[in-house]
Formats: sequence, C-alpha cells, structure tokens
Amino acid sequence: RKEVEQDPGPFNVPEGATVAFNCTYSNSASQSFFWYRQDCRKEPKLLMSVYSSGNEDGRFTAQLNRASQYISLLIRDSKLSDSATYLCVVPMEYGNKLVFGAGTILRVKS
Amino acid sequence: GAVVSQHPSWVICKSGTSVKIECRSLDFQATTMFWYRQFPKQSLMLMATSNEGSKATYEQGVEKDKFLINHASLTLSTLTVTSAHPEDSSFYICSASAGVYGYTFGSGTRLTVV
Repeated sequence: RKEVEQDPGPFNVPEGATVAFNCTYSNSASQSFFWYRQDCRKEPKLLMSVYSSGNEDGRFTAQLNRASQYISLLIRDSKLSDSATYLCVVPMEYGNKLVFGAGTILRVKS
Repeated sequence: GAVVSQHPSWVICKSGTSVKIECRSLDFQATTMFWYRQFPKQSLMLMATSNEGSKATYEQGVEKDKFLINHASLTLSTLTVTSAHPEDSSFYICSASAGVYGYTFGSGTRLTVV
C-alpha cells in the first residue's frame, strides 16, 4: 500500500458545483495532514492544515477520519480559479519529511 | 509569512555540465531544507534532506555524488546537479519548515538538459 494515495482524477465539474476528494494514508501514527494546491509549473501552496477531526476555511472543508485513515477535501461553489492539482501531504513522524500523494486534478468549467 | 527564494527559475544546460540551484530562506532560519524533484504529471518526490552544518541525507535511489547538497548557513541551501544528462531534466523544488507557517516551498527550478 502506498504511503499516501489519491484518486488522480481529473474531476471535471461546472462552476458552482461541490466536489470532494479523498486521500488515504498508511501510517496510523500520523498526527497532522495538509492539503496543498499546485498550479501547472508552479510550487505547491498550502491550502489547509488538518490536526484534529477537520478544518474549514470559507468554501473549503477538510475532514479527517482516523479510524479509516483518510482525509477528505470538500470544495463548495467551485470557481474557475479552483482549477489546479490538489496534493494530499502527510509528514512522516521521523525527520519531518513530507510524503506527497500523486495529486488530484480538478478542472472547473464555465 | 515565511518565504523561500529559489534561483534560477529555469535553466537550460548542455549535457555533461553542472548546474547549481540555490534556496534561501528570507525571513526565517531554516535548519532543515528538503529537496524534491517532480517529473511531468507526477507528484513531488523527496530527493534529500539538507541539514545546516552537516551532511545531507539522501533518499534511496538518489545518487549523492550526482546531486551535491550544501547547507552552509541557516538561510542557504544549494543543490548542484553534476554532469547533467537529459534524464535529469525535471522540476526541482526546495522546501523548509517555517514553524507556524508550516512547510513553505521555493518557486521551483525547471531544468532542461540538452
């Protein structure tokens, strides 16, 4: 099993739609989780951090299910500007190394 | 916020030459810097962890003699791709832990070896 797994997509959705991505992780001891957004040919930018059961920031909601070892990202009222690759990131408990999922591609269309 | 400045943004070099990539933490001290490589349509893969004042720790399969890492100060880490070959063409990106700001990334370097 991969350390961090994501559905690569692409998810093609119309503007205004609600879309959700899931990410599963293998290390049950992981304590923190991150969702990053990466635009084409750019560096990843932090979208949300998840330390407990979840986090919400505007249109974005992240939820953590420790029992099933997955994190989800929900985007409401999708905008064209939300089109990007969304990376699920889990730090390893040793050395603070980050393990990146392969990313989920989101395309929001008018 | 915490900023990591990475240079150059892109570079084209001839096969067999060496290329140096710099990452500087501008407003914080980065005792540890991570170096990643990303091939097209793939995720970031950790190459090595750079610690200030000590030798870098390389991930399995990454040649330490080919990818030289130097972290001489708390604000500067460099990655030198030696004797570059076309298969080294990739997007190289650094990252540092910046406390409450989480992990911050440099803007990346797109290397093309011809």
